[in-house]
Amino acid sequence: QVQLQESGPGLVRPSQTLSLTCNVSGGSISSGGYYWSWIRQSPGEGLQWLGYMSPSGTTYYNPSLKSRLTMSLDASKNQFSLSLTSVTAADTAFFYCARMATGYRKYYFDYWGQGALVTVSS
Amino acid sequence: DIQLTQSPSSLSASVGDRVTLTCRASQNIGGHLNWYQQRPGKVPRLLIYGTSTLQSGVPARFSGSGSGTDYGLTISNLQPEDFATYYCQQTFTTLSMTFGLGTRLEIK
Repeated sequence: QVQLQESGPGLVRPSQTLSLTCNVSGGSISSGGYYWSWIRQSPGEGLQWLGYMSPSGTTYYNPSLKSRLTMSLDASKNQFSLSLTSVTAADTAFFYCARMATGYRKYYFDYWGQGALVTVSS
Repeated sequence: DIQLTQSPSSLSASVGDRVTLTCRASQNIGGHLNWYQQRPGKVPRLLIYGTSTLQSGVPARFSGSGSGTDYGLTISNLQPEDFATYYCQQTFTTLSMTFGLGTRLEIK
């Protein structure tokens, strides 16, 4: 059973950088057929896809956030990470890491982490 | 970006009812439509992918249909644990995936 777990600071100051890590267990992030993703949800709001990475580390970002986002993965630790720069209160959200399955040109998020609430406040 | 409009935004129903939630895309998405369930305070859970393929472990009372721009999620014989918010997601444009704003299903 694949499990994902986010970790990182729960409070970030405005204009600073938000950094989160997702630890994956029960499967290797180097496995083919899966991309590793980040999704966020503002409290009481809907879901926003942030981006995903291939096992080789190729990144694909949401165009609306591309200038502020960086994702990376560490296969030796079986984990991947997110950085979001120049945060404002509008970036306050639950951040989820998720596995995106691919195959026959179907893409879907089949495993999710429990979510990490990050509040942007001074 | 492709916009997804879910309707209704909220719906009241009773245990045992059959309901259909709809998701309309701003352009043809060729069947690349997924559905997720999110119970209060919980993580989103994949129900259906590729319009109609049931994710492993999801009860058969959930079914998906549609094509082009119009898609539906039908829940038959509603159970107490089905009262949640449901989101559709398009993956036609994998470099700009989007979700709908959700339909909240409440107990009548």
